[in-house]
Amino acid sequence: NAGVTQTPKFQVLKTGQSMTLQCAQDMNHEYMSWYRQDPGMGLRLIHYSVGAGITDQGEVPNGYNVSRSTTEDFPLRLLSAAPSQTSVYFCASSSVGMGEQFFGPGTRLTVL
Amino acid sequence: AQTVTQSQPEMSVQEAETVTLSCTYDTSESDYYLFWYKQPPSRQMILVIRQEAYKQQNATENRFSVNFQKAAKSFSLKISDSQLGDAAMYFCAYRDFGNEKLTFGTGTRLTIIP
Repeated sequence: NAGVTQTPKFQVLKTGQSMTLQCAQDMNHEYMSWYRQDPGMGLRLIHYSVGAGITDQGEVPNGYNVSRSTTEDFPLRLLSAAPSQTSVYFCASSSVGMGEQFFGPGTRLTVL
Repeated sequence: AQTVTQSQPEMSVQEAETVTLSCTYDTSESDYYLFWYKQPPSRQMILVIRQEAYKQQNATENRFSVNFQKAAKSFSLKISDSQLGDAAMYFCAYRDFGNEKLTFGTGTRLTIIP
């Protein structure tokens, strides 16, 4: 049982490049979400999904796209990376109504 | 919108002593969850303890306990018999009862002094 997995662990991009951060969970959780963590600001919600085919915006969605074609996967896309997107990104999942969210190990992204 | 405030950016405690981390929150809801997450240098987010707002009894997990004051909207974490492995960032988080979205505080960095 791998829990929540994220790839890659580290990534360096140049301004304007695009990339996809991968997230997968094997716990059959309905809810999945993406957060970014910046120094002194805690974790902020980017996008979330309550099931396959359903996504919605969180607190800081600009510059990011998501889709949820399967229960297991919830990729986060950066279409045109900007230095302001330098951050640590966490994916999380939970079974709706059960309270606890399980987090992946995070991806450290640097945009030059 | 709900907000979570952690007013102590950094705390330190002697090994084997007790330390309390503070958290306040703002909400108009009556049913919600509160959490404390630990983030060690490995970066992994680890759930330490959770509290359901409808429960009057404070949650306890081994050396970790909370002081939940619903009327004051306060949710502090007490760590007893502090150990070197407790050194980490600690985040307080809030979630509405009917909503999975978490709102985090800005964190408290806890240092354990040997």
